[in-house]
Amino acid sequence: GNSVTQMEGPVTLSEEAFLTINCTYTATGYPSLFWYVQYPGEGLQLLLKATKADDKGSNKGFEATYRKETTSFHLEKGSVQVSDSAVYFCASGGYQKVTFGTGTKLQVIP
Amino acid sequence: EPEVTQTPSHQVTQMGQEVILRCVPISNHLYFYWYRQILGQKVEFLVSFYNNEISEKSEIFDDQFSVERPDGSNFTLKIRSTKLEDSAMYFCASDGLRSPLHFGNGTRLTVT
Repeated sequence: GNSVTQMEGPVTLSEEAFLTINCTYTATGYPSLFWYVQYPGEGLQLLLKATKADDKGSNKGFEATYRKETTSFHLEKGSVQVSDSAVYFCASGGYQKVTFGTGTKLQVIP
Repeated sequence: EPEVTQTPSHQVTQMGQEVILRCVPISNHLYFYWYRQILGQKVEFLVSFYNNEISEKSEIFDDQFSVERPDGSNFTLKIRSTKLEDSAMYFCASDGLRSPLHFGNGTRLTVT
């Protein structure tokens, strides 16, 4: 079955710092890959996705590239803001079911 | 943008009681799901539902759980006899063909 491993949190960064949250996956076949974000007190929102190898998903300054050779989908942002503070979940799967990682809490301080 | 809506946002119940969590998926979506997140842990798949029947369920989704689409808009999760370990955030989700999951804001269930 599918599984997703992402780096442990919490991650604390200063505003405008560079962000990387690592994510690797194991799967049968070639799953789609997703990053979901959960802001405090809210539900899960799709942040970005990639459906095949070498695809780059991007949204709100965040990017992640589907790397088949390293089975990775690391999330990056060049300059984080306080408003980016949230829990970020890497996920893999087909469109009918996804498997989530454990989540990485990001705290951005002014 | 259409949203998945869940009610209530917080439900408190006593151990052994039945609870029903309600969801209104996005109207043109065909697939419906329940996930749960125990505090501080990962989001776990419970069940998927398509064409008025369960299409897949996890080991967590045992006989105390059931799902129903009682009309054209609602999708419910029933827990027959709640246990302390059922305390979690329950997320409803829906999707259409070739579209990623859209999640609701969740119902926080507290079993005392």
